Amino acid sequence: SQTIHQWPATLVQPVGSPLSLECTVEGTSNPNLYWYRQAAGRGLQLLFYSVGIGQISSEVPQNLSASRPQDRQFILSSKKLLLSDSGFYLCAWSVRGDITLGYGYTFGSGTRLTVV
Amino acid sequence: AQKVTQAQTEISVVEKEDVTLDCVYETRDTTYYLFWYKQPPSGELVFLIRRNSFDEQNEISGRYSWNFQKSTSSFNFTITASQVVDSAVYFCALSGGASSGGSYIPTFGRGTSLIVHP
Repeated sequence: SQTIHQWPATLVQPVGSPLSLECTVEGTSNPNLYWYRQAAGRGLQLLFYSVGIGQISSEVPQNLSASRPQDRQFILSSKKLLLSDSGFYLCAWSVRGDITLGYGYTFGSGTRLTVV
Repeated sequence: AQKVTQAQTEISVVEKEDVTLDCVYETRDTTYYLFWYKQPPSGELVFLIRRNSFDEQNEISGRYSWNFQKSTSSFNFTITASQVVDSAVYFCALSGGASSGGSYIPTFGRGTSLIVHP
């Protein structure tokens, strides 16, 4: 069966510090991968998605970047965090090219980031 | 462009009441998919249902039921005899192929927070 792992679960970082959040998927190949952010009391905002190794599409220009060094690994990074980067970050995956397979999108358990 | 509107920001009910969460969508795609996800206080999004645009048959799963009406572009979610454990934020989502270049990137509504009081 497919599983998605996301860590850390919580993180408190000072303003100006770097960030690295990691997401890995097991039990599937060539997944589409996504990073979403949920600010307090707000909906889900798509940050990045990837349809393959090294292929990253950015939805919102901001202080963050994403990389996909391996097929089932998706990393969200920042060189210098801002207070506004605080939020709940969710990684998700779906079957590439056909979301009629499986149940659409499966989400990780999320990382709650607080920038202080 | 795709859009999902969940006009109800927060709903508060007493246990055993029925509650309906509204979802209205906009898309130019003829083939698209609609989803509902539940986000309990722990934060993880839990998949509830997927419906494709060619299947307007309503679905019932236990106390949950979904009413898909293409004529009004709505995909509403009803919880019958609500329970405290139903308290969560519920998200409606839409994904279409053509409008996203075939990538089926989902667009989420802003979510409806459901609070069920004992």
